[in-house]
Amino acid sequence: DAGITQSPRHKVTETGTPVTLRCHQTENHRYMYWYRQDPGHGLRLIHYSYGVKDTDKGEVSDGYSVSRSKTEDFLLTLESATSSQTSVYFCAISEGTSGAQETQYFGPGTRLLVL
Amino acid sequence: AQSVTQLGSHVSVSEGALVLLRCNYSSSVPPYLFWYVQYPNQGLQLLLKYTSAATLVKGINGFEAEFKKSETSFHLTKPSAHMSDAAEYFCAVSPPGGFKTIFGAGTRLFVKA
Repeated sequence: DAGITQSPRHKVTETGTPVTLRCHQTENHRYMYWYRQDPGHGLRLIHYSYGVKDTDKGEVSDGYSVSRSKTEDFLLTLESATSSQTSVYFCAISEGTSGAQETQYFGPGTRLLVL
Repeated sequence: AQSVTQLGSHVSVSEGALVLLRCNYSSSVPPYLFWYVQYPNQGLQLLLKYTSAATLVKGINGFEAEFKKSETSFHLTKPSAHMSDAAEYFCAVSPPGGFKTIFGAGTRLFVKA
């Protein structure tokens, strides 16, 4: 299994509070991704990173920000959580050497409930 | 724009029966195609992928998929279902030259004893 951990694994928070989710990898892969998974929508890309301090938006980036200060860590922040951000969040990594044909390796997910 | 459609949010088969999960894609150029599987309370893992080397792709656990350009399809099959195949399956497409992958909505496979 690829060395990807996510923390916390479960979180309950209240509307309006900031929340930070952490993804940590031990594979030294260049690309890291944050997705959210919701019933009927599959996985949707929030943000991704192609190197330290290099990030870009995905299809559902509103209300989220990311940071990557080290190769191994990719943080996802909900600036002011809303109930619509209740979801399961997955981090993924890929090597970043073979382009679009690369396999993505997924973490175990974080289940977030915003009350 | 790239997109992927999985026909059927739920599929139920009997143990030992053929598994067929359907995936159609939309792309202006031949994309790379993937099938991922998600077991309960876990992240996704790769079953197989098409990278233009061969149209029939074999994956793990006896699954295979065939890329049909004329039908813009990449259906997943397994000749004989096992109880352990019960999971959610995601078809995904990646356009050449990029690093973004578009996932389908998923198909949950139920296997009856």
